[in-house]
Amino acid sequence: DQQVKQNSPSLSVQEGRISILNCDYTNSMFDYFLWYKKYPAEGPTFLISISSIKDKNEDGRFTVFLNKSAKHLSLHIVPSQPGDSAVYFCAAREDYGGATNKLIFGTGTLLAVQP
Amino acid sequence: DTGVSQNPRHKITKRGQNVTFRCDPISEHNRLYWYRQTLGQGPEFLTYFQNEAQLEKSRLLSDRFSAERPKGSFSTLEIQRTEQGDSAMYLCASSLAGEQYFGPGTRLTVT
Repeated sequence: DQQVKQNSPSLSVQEGRISILNCDYTNSMFDYFLWYKKYPAEGPTFLISISSIKDKNEDGRFTVFLNKSAKHLSLHIVPSQPGDSAVYFCAAREDYGGATNKLIFGTGTLLAVQP
Repeated sequence: DTGVSQNPRHKITKRGQNVTFRCDPISEHNRLYWYRQTLGQGPEFLTYFQNEAQLEKSRLLSDRFSAERPKGSFSTLEIQRTEQGDSAMYLCASSLAGEQYFGPGTRLTVT
């Protein structure tokens, strides 16, 4: 049972254009969402997060949007750069009274930014 | 470098052997997590420590797996009697409360 889904295994965009990566979730107990970027042979690198009480969070070229009613979030990268080429993971945190805070990850989307 | 470190980065072992991995978290982080990642999948939660206490273990963590965090600092993950299905990237992460920061991982190959 995949609680966090990234339905696009890959995405290709031109340098300078917008990259939009999507993520859907099923568990209404998720209270916090994160995006990580991963290069081959490295661990995931934290990019940006959003609390479930917000609908938008922006950090430089990265913006995350959250639509709770649709259980959907997206990551926008503007403008896209070749160095953004990596696998992007969406992750969600379960809120059960501040216990584990373990993350549930999607399967990732491979972003390729073409020069 | 004040990030999360993991050793070794790569480990090749024969089936049936025991292996141990080490994770050194960011020094002020009291929470430490182990995840496992296989090809084409996202990281999957294995276990969680708050300081030295192991507070949660995933059902993925069979009795061949054991993790410790003595004194609430570094952590070790041991796999006994390794099987080919244990081949994966083992990731460690640490946090204070919100974002988890990951180490580079240990790539285990069981032959």
